[in-house]
Amino acid sequence: GQNIDQPTEMTATEGAIVQINCTYQTSGFNGLFWYQQHAGEAPTFLSYNVLDGLEEKGRFSSFLSRSKGYSYLLLKELQMKDSASYLCAVRGDYNTDKLIFGTGTRLQVFP
Amino acid sequence: NAGVTQTPKFRILKIGQSMTLQCTQDMNHNYMYWYRQDPGMGLKLIYYSVGAGITDKGEVPNGYNVSRSTTEDFPLRLELAAPSQTSVYFCASSYSGAVETQYFGPGTRLLVL
Repeated sequence: GQNIDQPTEMTATEGAIVQINCTYQTSGFNGLFWYQQHAGEAPTFLSYNVLDGLEEKGRFSSFLSRSKGYSYLLLKELQMKDSASYLCAVRGDYNTDKLIFGTGTRLQVFP
Repeated sequence: NAGVTQTPKFRILKIGQSMTLQCTQDMNHNYMYWYRQDPGMGLKLIYYSVGAGITDKGEVPNGYNVSRSTTEDFPLRLELAAPSQTSVYFCASSYSGAVETQYFGPGTRLLVL
């Protein structure tokens, strides 16, 4: 079967670092994606990992371990505007680009 | 370049009514998708298309139909609306092989009463 697990909610303080974990069990794997979704808005692309290791993009980093079926999104120097849901998604089939989404992690950043 | 556009933004339907959710993209993407997102949940794939004239079912296709007569448009049809179809519907598109994968439209909020 296909299963992607993320924590439902997390809280953090402005300026801090937070790590959002994602574990997956899918019948195929061709990349893992993180999306950010503010309340009432569409998801927007944050990062992509297809090989093991860390990908860094400014304040955001994403890590992948394919052997463990595990990824995390690391957000540094948190800002109030980072309060949003963070969706982990796996692409199982390269030929169609279909994504399987987790239920998302709602992050609240407090001053 | 408008990206992915969806109409309407919000709609209230009565049980048993039908409607079409419109989706258009101007990026010449060959792949297009319809998702639904229930409150506090992730996105579930309803239907997808890898090119004009080609469509296929996703995870939750029951109660919906699609067509893809052009590269740009991918309408989603609800024939007999049910309360279980109350959700936010997102259309997305991508270009085959693109690393950044799917671009999403702003969504259509549908309430079935």
